[in-house]
Amino acid sequence: NAGVTQTPKFRILKIGQSMTLQCTQDMNHNYMYWYRQDPGMGLKLIYYSVGAGITDKGEVPNGYNVSRSTTEDFPLRLELAAPSQTSVYFCASSPWLQDTQYFGPGTRLTVL
Amino acid sequence: KNQVEQSPQSLIILEGKNCTLQCNYTVSPFSNLRWYKQDTGRGPVSLTIMTFSENTKSNGRYTATLDADTKQSSLHITASQLSDSASYICVVSGGAGSYQLTFGKGTKLSVIP
Repeated sequence: NAGVTQTPKFRILKIGQSMTLQCTQDMNHNYMYWYRQDPGMGLKLIYYSVGAGITDKGEVPNGYNVSRSTTEDFPLRLELAAPSQTSVYFCASSPWLQDTQYFGPGTRLTVL
Repeated sequence: KNQVEQSPQSLIILEGKNCTLQCNYTVSPFSNLRWYKQDTGRGPVSLTIMTFSENTKSNGRYTATLDADTKQSSLHITASQLSDSASYICVVSGGAGSYQLTFGKGTKLSVIP
């Protein structure tokens, strides 16, 4: 099992550009999550999904969108990138809501 | 406001020594508490998960304790190795049915030869 994979590993965007961060898991987990980790801060939940076709906002959803068309994939879309979105983004999955979360390796995004 | 505070922020120890990391939380209601290890440039990896009724849980050289009355947890690392150098993150989950996790900022541990 590859677990949770994320692409790309690094990306530099200009202000106003858009991009999609990809996340795929091969563990058949129902729950998937997107977090951002700013330097010296704890992870913050952006969006989560409880299954294909069902998504909901987390703590910091502004400026982001998600979709979940399959169990495996949970892409995160950034529209009109802003410097405040410079961060490391982690995707995670878990079998159930209160279960251990398995994290991907992260995407380091810089917006200039 | 739900908060998780970890101490110390950073710690340097000699290889082979023991150390203890602290976590205090104000999350309510409480469901479980997790400790994650995050190597530099990697995603967090779960070490332990403890529910309200559990006081101690071990995973190899890692032992976590939980005092739900005082809302404190600790992670004890025995006979440290160079590979233990990482950030250790305490994460507290809210009540049953809650997706909300509150993450601490982590303790950065450096193990030196």
